[in-house]
Parts: sequence; structure tokens; C-alpha cells
Amino acid sequence: SQKIEQNSEALNIQEGKTATLTCNYTNYSPAYLQWYRQDPGRGPVFLLLIRENEKEKRKERLKVTFDTTLKQSLFHITASQPADSATYLCAPVTDTGRRALTFGSGTRLQVQP
Amino acid sequence: GAVVSQHPSWVICKSGTSVKIECRSLDFQATTMFWYRQFPKQSLMLMATSNEGSKATYEQGVEKDKFLINHASLTLSTLTVTSAHPEDSSFYICSARVGDSYGYTFGSGTRLTVV
Repeated sequence: SQKIEQNSEALNIQEGKTATLTCNYTNYSPAYLQWYRQDPGRGPVFLLLIRENEKEKRKERLKVTFDTTLKQSLFHITASQPADSATYLCAPVTDTGRRALTFGSGTRLQVQP
Repeated sequence: GAVVSQHPSWVICKSGTSVKIECRSLDFQATTMFWYRQFPKQSLMLMATSNEGSKATYEQGVEKDKFLINHASLTLSTLTVTSAHPEDSSFYICSARVGDSYGYTFGSGTRLTVV
């Protein structure tokens, strides 16, 4: 069965460091993969989308990589700030016509000042 | 950007009553709306997919008679939790797709507490 794995343990880092979050998937052939941020009591907010033919995507302090051989995406936040503290969700998307997103369990990031 | 407005943001109701949650797409037409449920410290679980003008498609294990979904227009989808029980207490979120490049946009969620 399809599975999306994110580190369920919280990631604690110091302000200014780079946070790296991992998303592994099995039994998927995603056409693209999305990353979302979710704050407590709020809906997810779209951050980045990376396609299968893209190795890396950047947006300001965010960087996403996509390795279809390893079946893994890495999400990096450079120069992290306490305001980056949130849960980050990944969602691989296949082109099967099924339009809903399936999310990993999410990784909670805590950036200490 | 595309916005989905979800109301109410929180609601407390008595066991046995019904609660309606609304999601409106403010600046785009949402032919499809997805409804998710999220329990504490868990990820979002898809409950159903609603399509404008047709019946919703429910995920396995989701009672369609309990969670009534209506998508009567291109800008409004509603989820009604009927005869709510404490185990229905959860965080309900709607979502719509806004083209491939922009990902999906989500409502702000509704915290339902059934007492």
C-alpha cells in the first residue's frame, strides 16, 4: 500500500540554523510533490511544489529537493527563525485523476530563539 | 491569491444535534471541494470529495448519512454533521484545488466539540 513517512518526532533547532525535514514515500510514482505548513488550529498553507523532473526548487529561505530514485524529498529552511515553528506536511501527488491530497503525518519544527 | 473562507472557526454543540460547516471560495470557482478531518497530533484524513451539482464521494469508513455534504454552487460547499456525538469532536478542514501551479488552498478549519 502507499505510504508517506515523515519524522514524527519534533525537530528542535537553534535560531539561525538550517532545518532539514524528510519525506519518504513508498509505492508511489508521484508526478510532483507539495509541501505545506500548518500552524496549530489552522488549515495547511501551501509552500512549494516540485515536479518529478525537477531536482531542486527554491523560494526565499526555503529549498526543496526531490529524488525519485530514493523516493525522498528534503525540505530545508535556512536561517531559521522562531516564526518558522510549525508542522510541515508533505504530499506526493500522482497523476491518476484522484484529485485529493494525501499527507504524511507531518514533522513539527520548533526553532529556539 | 485564492482564498477559501470556512465558518464557523469553532463550535460547541450538544450530543444529538446537527452542525453545519460552510466553505466558500472567494475569488475563484471551486468545482471540487475536499473535506478532511484531523484528530489531535495526527495528519489530515480525507473524508469526502464534493463536486458541484453532483453527489459527494465518500472515503471508506465515512458514513455518508452522518456527514452530509452539499455543493450546490461553484463557490459554496457545506458539511453537516448530523446527530453529533462526542467521538465526532475533531478539526474539520475543507480544501480546493486552484490549478496545478498553485497547489491547494485550505480553509482555516472548524474545531467541533460535542458535549
